[in-house]
Amino acid sequence: DAGVIQSPRHEVTEMGQEVTLRCKPISGHNSLFWYRQTMMRGLELLIYFNNNVPIDDSGMPEDRFSAKMPNASFSTLKIQPSEPRDSAVYFCASSMGEETQYFGPGTRLLVL
Amino acid sequence: GESVGLHLPTLSVQEGDNSIINCAYSNSASDYFIWYKQESGKGPQFIIDIRSNMDKRQGQRVTVLLNKTVKHLSLQIAATQPGDSAVYFCAVGYDMRFGAGTRLTVKP
Repeated sequence: DAGVIQSPRHEVTEMGQEVTLRCKPISGHNSLFWYRQTMMRGLELLIYFNNNVPIDDSGMPEDRFSAKMPNASFSTLKIQPSEPRDSAVYFCASSMGEETQYFGPGTRLLVL
Repeated sequence: GESVGLHLPTLSVQEGDNSIINCAYSNSASDYFIWYKQESGKGPQFIIDIRSNMDKRQGQRVTVLLNKTVKHLSLQIAATQPGDSAVYFCAVGYDMRFGAGTRLTVKP
C-alpha cells in the first residue's frame, strides 16, 4: 500500500490567496484526520471524518478553514483567504475505525 | 478537553543506554494511548499503543507503561540507537490529543 498520500508537499502562497490541500487515505480506512503542526502549538487536530462525515471540527481555527470528504478516497482542506499565521505543516492521517492512525508526509505551507 | 503534557522537552542519551520518555494526561476516562515517533521532515509514525485494561505492553526494544492512578504514561527504549533520534509524542484517546513532544538525541 502506498500509505496516506498528500499533495502538494510544499506550497508557497501570498496572503489572501486560497490554498487547497489534498489527501488520499489508505484504501479501506474509514476515518480521516487533518492536523496542523507548528513550533509554537505542536500537533493540533483540526477535524476528523468517519465514513466521510465530519465528526468533530472543533479544532478548525476559524471560518477561513473548511474541509470536505466527498468520497472515501479523497479529502480536501481549504484555507480562504490565507494568512501568514496559517504557515505550518498540515498532516492528513487515516485509520480503520478506532485503530492506529497512519500519517501522510505532510504539506509544508508558507504564506507570505 | 484532553490536556496532554510531557515532563521534558528534550532528552539526550548515550548510544546503548536506555531511554525513558514520560507523558501525563488529565482525563481519567481516557482508555487508549499511543506513542508516535516523528523524524525530521516526516509525519508521525506509530510505535506502540496500549489500552487502559493493561498497564504494560512490550514491542521490539520498546515498552509502554501506563499508570492510571496518577494518569501517567511512559515509553522506554532499550539500547537506544542513533536511529532513535526523533521527536516522540504521546497521544491520548481515539481522537488523538497529542502532547507537545520530547526531542530525543542519541549521542554516539
